Amino acid sequence: EDKVVQSPLSLVVHEGDTVTLNCSYEVTNFRSLLWYKQEKKAPTFLFMLTSSGIEKKSGRLSSILDKKELFSILNITATQTGDSAIYLCAVETRSGGSNYKLTFGKGTLLTVNP
Amino acid sequence: EAGVVQSPRYKIIEKKQPVAFWCNPISGHNTLYWYRQNLGQGPELLIRYENEEAVDDSQLPKDRFSAERLKGVDSTLKIQPAELGDSAVYLCASSFGWWETQYFGPGTRLLVL
Repeated sequence: EDKVVQSPLSLVVHEGDTVTLNCSYEVTNFRSLLWYKQEKKAPTFLFMLTSSGIEKKSGRLSSILDKKELFSILNITATQTGDSAIYLCAVETRSGGSNYKLTFGKGTLLTVNP
Repeated sequence: EAGVVQSPRYKIIEKKQPVAFWCNPISGHNTLYWYRQNLGQGPELLIRYENEEAVDDSQLPKDRFSAERLKGVDSTLKIQPAELGDSAVYLCASSFGWWETQYFGPGTRLLVL
């Protein structure tokens, strides 16, 4: 059974702090790892990672994948109150042919206080 | 067990034309998702159904996109009229429940000329 585990489950910080969110996985036929930000409704796609050691960066957010140790981290620097959300990690695996599935972690609830 | 079925697999149309995609989820899956995936990016959710009810369509561009799942089983996604920027892969997925493991169909690759 494929597993995706995120930690911590919740985190409270002050504006300006730097946070690191973790995602570890145990899956068969890994294809990619995805990070999403979920505020009120549908999650917003942040990053897709397929190769180890290559950092993806978007503004104050960055992420990196370690396929040997089977984890990824999402960093947010200089946090703002608008960063408050649930951050979801999902792992895409291939299940044969052109079919694949997406297994989600339970998410990390980040609260940034002013 | 049959997986998620989508058709057509490929579609090429001219801009301003309508297009429709069809999806049949895994039997017993109440939750159905439509995603759009642009090249080099992850899937972005367009709409999520719980049975026949669209419970999350906040990212569906409602001026030109519509979807339905009338009997709570298969679903159609329509674009009318299509624009050049709609070229992408449209993925359907299903799961037993919200944010449980989602199983994806092969997708429909749309090219708008």
